Amino acid sequence: KNQVEQSPQSLIILEGKNCTLQCNYTVSPFSNLRWYKQDTGRGPVSLTIMTFSENTKSNRRYTATLDADTKQSSLHITASQLSDSASYICVVSQLSGHKLIFGTGTRLQVFP
Amino acid sequence: DGGITQSPKYLFRKEGQNVTLSCEQNLNHDAMYWYRQDPGQGLRLIYYSQIVNDFQKGDIAEGYSVSREKKESFPLTVTSAQKNPTAFYLCASSIGQPPNTGELFFGEGSRLTVL
Repeated sequence: KNQVEQSPQSLIILEGKNCTLQCNYTVSPFSNLRWYKQDTGRGPVSLTIMTFSENTKSNRRYTATLDADTKQSSLHITASQLSDSASYICVVSQLSGHKLIFGTGTRLQVFP
Repeated sequence: DGGITQSPKYLFRKEGQNVTLSCEQNLNHDAMYWYRQDPGQGLRLIYYSQIVNDFQKGDIAEGYSVSREKKESFPLTVTSAQKNPTAFYLCASSIGQPPNTGELFFGEGSRLTVL
């Protein structure tokens, strides 16, 4: 079964600290992996899209990694800010059909 | 500014009533999608459309209907046949189909509550 699992479900950190969110998937055949940020009550906003051949991709303070062999991805947030408080959703695209498989997200709260 | 506009932001309806959620995009994207988001679950695809006057069912199409009469518009009707319609509904669009590396843009969502 094609699945995307994220951990932890929720995370609380202090402002200025770093954190890493995990995404494991069993989707096959794999096309690409995306990370989205979703503020409460808003639509998701794309952070990165990674294809099979990409190991690391950065977007400002966000760095995503992808290990296609172990089917794992991580999103590292550096020097967290209060505005980083949101849900982070991992999405894997299946090569066949038009299928996107969404994870349930990690809820991050950054406190001052 | 280019983007996707969903309306209304909040909607309340009584059981047995149909309701239509609006989605308009000015990004000139061919593909449009409707997703449903429930607490503790990943987004689930309701319907998608790759071109005007054509659309396909997603994973949870029962109790929903759509139309695509214009490239810019993809309204979703939640019918009385939908057993559990209370949810957060997200509209999205992309230049091509998601399996490529094309960006998927989301609207701000519509929260439907059935009283």
